[in-house]
Order: sequence, then C-alpha cells, then structure tokens
Amino acid sequence: ETGVTQTPRHLVMGMTNKKSLKCEQHLGHNAMYWYKQSAKKPLELMFVYNFKEQTENNSVPSRFSPECPNSSHLFLHLHTLQPEDSALYLCASSQGESSTDTQYFGPGTRLTVL
Amino acid sequence: AQSVTQPDIHITVSEGASLELRCNYSYGATPYLFWYVQSPGQGLQLLLKYFSGDTLVQGIKGFEAEFKRSQSSFNLRKPSVHWSDAAEYFCAVSNSGGSNYKLTFGKGTLLTVNP
Repeated sequence: ETGVTQTPRHLVMGMTNKKSLKCEQHLGHNAMYWYKQSAKKPLELMFVYNFKEQTENNSVPSRFSPECPNSSHLFLHLHTLQPEDSALYLCASSQGESSTDTQYFGPGTRLTVL
Repeated sequence: AQSVTQPDIHITVSEGASLELRCNYSYGATPYLFWYVQSPGQGLQLLLKYFSGDTLVQGIKGFEAEFKRSQSSFNLRKPSVHWSDAAEYFCAVSNSGGSNYKLTFGKGTLLTVNP
C-alpha cells in the first residue's frame, strides 16, 4: 500500500451504534488530520495530530473521539451519531504541521447514519 | 480569518476547449494557495501550490494557476481539457505563519466535460 489509506470505504450505522474509522499513512509523515466533507459545504477540519499529540480540536462534538496511537495510524471512534453526521470523512497526512507542508489525502469513508 | 470563494458551483466545457476556474481568497498577509482535485470516489489530490516567487505556477496534468495579489485571486487554467479532467476542484488557502496553520477550502467547482 502507498499513500494514505482509509477503511472502511463505506459505513452505514444506526444512531445507537459504535463504530470506528481507520486511517493509515505510508509516507513517513508526522502530522495527521481528520476532515468532514458534507454536500455543498467546504471541507471542515475536525482534528489534527502532530507526533501523536492532538494539536487541534475544531469544536467537534464529543460523539466523535479521535485516537492516534502512532504517527502512521489515526482512528475516529463514533458513538451515538446523528443523521446530520452523514458525510464523507477524509484523512490526510503531512510531513509536519507547517504551512509549507503539503497535505496528502486518503480516499475517504462515506458514512451514512440512519 | 482567512476564507476562499469559488464563484462557480458547476462548469461544463467541451473536450479540447480551454478552462478557467475562479478562486478568490481573503487573508491579511501573503497567503499560501493550493488547488486540489477530487475525482468521484477518491480523496483530494494536489494539483499545484503557490508559496512565493513566480506568480504563474505550473502543476500536474497540464494545469497552471496565476496568483494576482491586486485581485486576491488564484485562478486555475488548462489550455485543452480532456474527458478525464471531469472532477471537482477545490481551491484552498493557508496562513503563512509557520506552525499550527489551518488550510481553509472553498466549496468546490464541479467540472463536467462534454465529448
């Protein structure tokens, strides 16, 4: 595998379910990101991790819980979601958290909350 | 706060025609500017970026963009569009303040290419 991979690619869950999204980067980067992409809205930054430490939480509801066990892996744990949380969730990574570090994106997980 | 406006939600061009996608930004200092492309079912791929220097930037797949400070614009161009260019295009701006930066995206422009 190369680049940034995300699993699963599609997920359907009920509002009472608990699920997790996984992201893995094979680029040797130190920073990883979660974004939410909803229809007709700009990408929204959710969380940033740099060297496994969370450096940004963009006022995300607590029903979204990120985890970064090492610089290559990033998880997004989901519980008691709402239908409005249905969206494409994109993971990205970059060498560092500097403004000159290009972000590389995974293909995303299409989440549907029933 | 920085922001990006992509005025065109959807553009349709014929294959072989030229293309220009508009992007206007708002940022107090010199911005860092990016264009990404998203094909159906895929993540975002970087086309090109501008940090400083020559205001005409060359990217992948034959795309180029020009930074015009006076117009706060960073329009994306391609002289001859191919059917495989059909995708959604996102302009983004980041603060040039070093660490702890944020990448702010526009809402995107969907490009349809007619045969």
